[in-house]
Amino acid sequence: QKEVEQDPGPLSVPEGAIVSLNCTYSNSAFQYFMWYRQYSRKGPELLMYTYSSGNKEDGRFTAQVDKSSKYISLFIRDSQPSDSATYLCAANTGNQFYFGTGTSLTVIP
Amino acid sequence: SQTIHQWPATLVQPVGSPLSLECTVEGTSNPNLYWYRQAAGRGLQLLFYSVGIGQISSEVPQNLSASRPQDRQFILSSKKLLLSDSGFYLCAWGRSGARSNQPQHFGDGTRLSIL
Repeated sequence: QKEVEQDPGPLSVPEGAIVSLNCTYSNSAFQYFMWYRQYSRKGPELLMYTYSSGNKEDGRFTAQVDKSSKYISLFIRDSQPSDSATYLCAANTGNQFYFGTGTSLTVIP
Repeated sequence: SQTIHQWPATLVQPVGSPLSLECTVEGTSNPNLYWYRQAAGRGLQLLFYSVGIGQISSEVPQNLSASRPQDRQFILSSKKLLLSDSGFYLCAWGRSGARSNQPQHFGDGTRLSIL
C-alpha cells in the first residue's frame, strides 16, 4: 500500500464549477498535508498546506484534512481555465515526504 | 524571499555521455536539498537528499550521483547515461533542523531525453 494514494483522473469540468480533489493516506504519524499545483513542463508549486487536521481557506481554495478517515481534500470554487493543471497531494513525517501521483484537471471555458 | 533555480530546462544527450544538472537556492541558509525524478503516472521518486555540505543520502541505487559542494548548490551527475535515465528531474529545498518537516519547494525541473 502506498503512503499517499491519489486518483489520477483526468478530471474535466466546466468553468465556474466546484472541483473536489481527494487523496487518502495510511500513516497516522503524518504532520503536514500539502497540495501542489503543477503546470505542464513546470515544477510543482506549493499551493496550500495544513498542519495536523482541520480546514484552511485561501481565496477560492480550501484544503481539508480528516485524520479520523485519513482523507485529504482540496476544493476549488468558481474554477477558472487557469486552474487547469495537475494537482499533487503530499504528506510528511519529519523530513520524509510522500507524494500522490497527481490528478490532472482541465477547466473548460 | 527564497528562490530555487535549476538548469538547463531541457537537455538531449546521447547514451553513454556524462551528465551534470545544477540546482541553486537563494534567500536561505543551510537548506535541506533534494533531487527527484518524476515519471508520468508514477509520482515523484526521491533520488538523493542532503542535509549539509558533502552530506548525501541515496535513496535509489543507480548510475546517478549527487554532490553538494556549497551550502546552496546541489548537483546531479552521471558518468555514463542510460536510456532509462530519461525523465523529468526536479530539485527541491526545505528548511533544516527542527523545521525540516515544513513543506518543500521545487524548481522548474530539467527534462532529460536520452537518444
